[in-house]
Amino acid sequence: EVQLVESGGGLVQPGGSLRLSCAASGFTFSSYEMNWVRQAPGKGLEWVSYISSSGSTIYYADSVKGRFTISRDNAKNSLYLQMNSLRAEDTAVYYCARDRVTTVDYWGQGTLVTVSS
Amino acid sequence: QSALTQPASVSGSPGQSITISCTGTSSDVGGYNYVSWYQQHPGKAPKLMIYDVNKRPSGVSNRFSGSKSGNTASLTISGLQAEDEADYYCSSYTSSSTFRVFGGGTKLTVL
Repeated sequence: EVQLVESGGGLVQPGGSLRLSCAASGFTFSSYEMNWVRQAPGKGLEWVSYISSSGSTIYYADSVKGRFTISRDNAKNSLYLQMNSLRAEDTAVYYCARDRVTTVDYWGQGTLVTVSS
Repeated sequence: QSALTQPASVSGSPGQSITISCTGTSSDVGGYNYVSWYQQHPGKAPKLMIYDVNKRPSGVSNRFSGSKSGNTASLTISGLQAEDEADYYCSSYTSSSTFRVFGGGTKLTVL
């Protein structure tokens, strides 16, 4: 069974940093591309970032480019999102999601990030 | 403002059929057969219901079907059931720098 478990969310002040982690199991993590997708409270889904299976190809949404960094450790079956210079508008549930080339098929339960003073 | 346009809400009675539309551009929905639909119940993670316009993942009921015409994709749910009440999101691959885009979501109410 595919499982994706996010962690690392919490309350952070504007301008602060946070590192999210996603532990993957139930599939060959090193063979799949991965994404981070977020959802602000009461709002829709917003794609944040993508990383290829080897980590050599990375994309970011314009809203986070230059502030967020996606990475992965295939030996640890883990995906990460380093978030710097956080803003109030970054407040959201952050989902780790598996990519299947033409779609995103499995999602974790999410971790809540709240940016507030 | 979301890249793909969906109606904010739709409703139907048990047993009826409903259709949710998702309108994009030639750079996303119209340009590729890579439209997906997700179901999300309150407080839960999204669940993939349709991918590649009209394919169903294993385990998804055949009451759910997808289609596309031009820049507009559609999700049809037939034989509505109470458990279908949820938010539904469309998504598409895009040739823009955004890589993947989502619709704003549609709240389905089963009356």
